[in-house]
Amino acid sequence: QSALTQPPSASGSPGQSVTISCTGTSSDVGGYKYVSWYQQLPGKAPKLIIYEVFKRPSGVPDRFSGSKSGNTASLTVSGLQAEDEADYYCSSFAVRNNWLFGGGTRLTVL
Amino acid sequence: EVQLVESGGGLVKPGGSLRLSCAASGFSFRTTWMSWVRQAPGKGLEWVGRIKSKTDGEITDYAAPVKGRFTLSRDDSENMVYLQMNSLRTEDTAVYYCTPHTGSFDFWGQGTLVTVSS
Repeated sequence: QSALTQPPSASGSPGQSVTISCTGTSSDVGGYKYVSWYQQLPGKAPKLIIYEVFKRPSGVPDRFSGSKSGNTASLTVSGLQAEDEADYYCSSFAVRNNWLFGGGTRLTVL
Repeated sequence: EVQLVESGGGLVKPGGSLRLSCAASGFSFRTTWMSWVRQAPGKGLEWVGRIKSKTDGEITDYAAPVKGRFTLSRDDSENMVYLQMNSLRTEDTAVYYCTPHTGSFDFWGQGTLVTVSS
């Protein structure tokens, strides 16, 4: 099964909003609520920032929000800060008890 | 505080074997499903496999690239999860992370590096 599709890069200026997409199929993103997003700072382990499409773990700023429409999930980062510069990955449950990740999006704060 | 400490990585020749360990603490390990996720150097994340809790039958599922070569197991008395990797290939070179899995990969350790090279 193929990885989910994310844009390789995204950028925005401090204070702006940026949205990262994650496109799958009806067999993964479109078919289940188990879509999550991870932030990976340079040289660090990934960190969960969104689960079940739009829920935020304790401690994650509300500047991070998630949504889904059809087979595409989205992560929006509002009020961009320099510390948000990182790689972002989406993930989804898929048919046959499989779990998929997107290829990752490098977010640059200009 | 959740802690995950992976170990057992290293350099191994193609065709060789390696057993990774993950020591978990700070959450109810025995009722938690556990997954391994890997990341090749400079690349993205890839799910490797998941083992359910004992009460859910310790059922395992694996990603297609590792099925038949990798085996997951767990020891709830020690809060440990293991990944036995056989018939290793150069494309298995990656940092391997263990993570509690509840529909998302909730917490991550620092990982252990596996290098498969002759």
